[in-house]
Amino acid sequence: SQELEQSPQSLIVQEGKNLTINCTSSKTLYGLYWYKQKYGEGLIFLMMLQKGGEEKSHEKITAKLDEKKQQSSLHITASQPSHAGIYLCGADGSGNTGKLIFGQGTTLQVKP
Amino acid sequence: GAGVSQSPSNKVTEKGKDVELRCDPISGHTALYWYRQSLGQGLEFLIYFQGNSAPDKSGLPSDRFSAERTGGSVSTLTIQRTQQEDSAVYLCASSLQGTNEKLFFGSGTQLSVL
Repeated sequence: SQELEQSPQSLIVQEGKNLTINCTSSKTLYGLYWYKQKYGEGLIFLMMLQKGGEEKSHEKITAKLDEKKQQSSLHITASQPSHAGIYLCGADGSGNTGKLIFGQGTTLQVKP
Repeated sequence: GAGVSQSPSNKVTEKGKDVELRCDPISGHTALYWYRQSLGQGLEFLIYFQGNSAPDKSGLPSDRFSAERTGGSVSTLTIQRTQQEDSAVYLCASSLQGTNEKLFFGSGTQLSVL
């Protein structure tokens, strides 16, 4: 079955610094999703990528899917305390069936 | 409703008791998912519904876990004879059709088994 591996597991950055979180799949991704979770809350959808080489941006967050569709990165520019939380990547685990599996998450802390 | 609603938000129970967790998805969403998140862990897939049927139950950890969905809407996750290792946050999500779509998540039920 497909597995998603995220790196790093945790990250502490100074406010204003850039950072990148990676998500690697053992199989070709049919759709890659990025979510953010704050403590005690549900997941908030950030972006979805489907095509090889696709890149999407929202405010200071940019997500990319590589050409082979096995790796995605999430880049935050000029981080702010509001960016703190757990970032999870998710993908269809069985190939377009709707069963979404998730990586273990990356915990981000932003120091003011 | 406006969003995915889960109840209760917190549940404390004694080992060996049965618990029921409820999920009310966004109106019109045909796909419904249950996930479990243990402390410091990612999301563990439990079960997926398309309408009232469950094409994939592969994530249910044991036969103590069951779920149903009625009327293509509300879903109930039941855990029988709870064990301490069942303690976790149980998250429900829904999507319009279930493939290549983003999921909308509820705030979860924090289950604590003493």
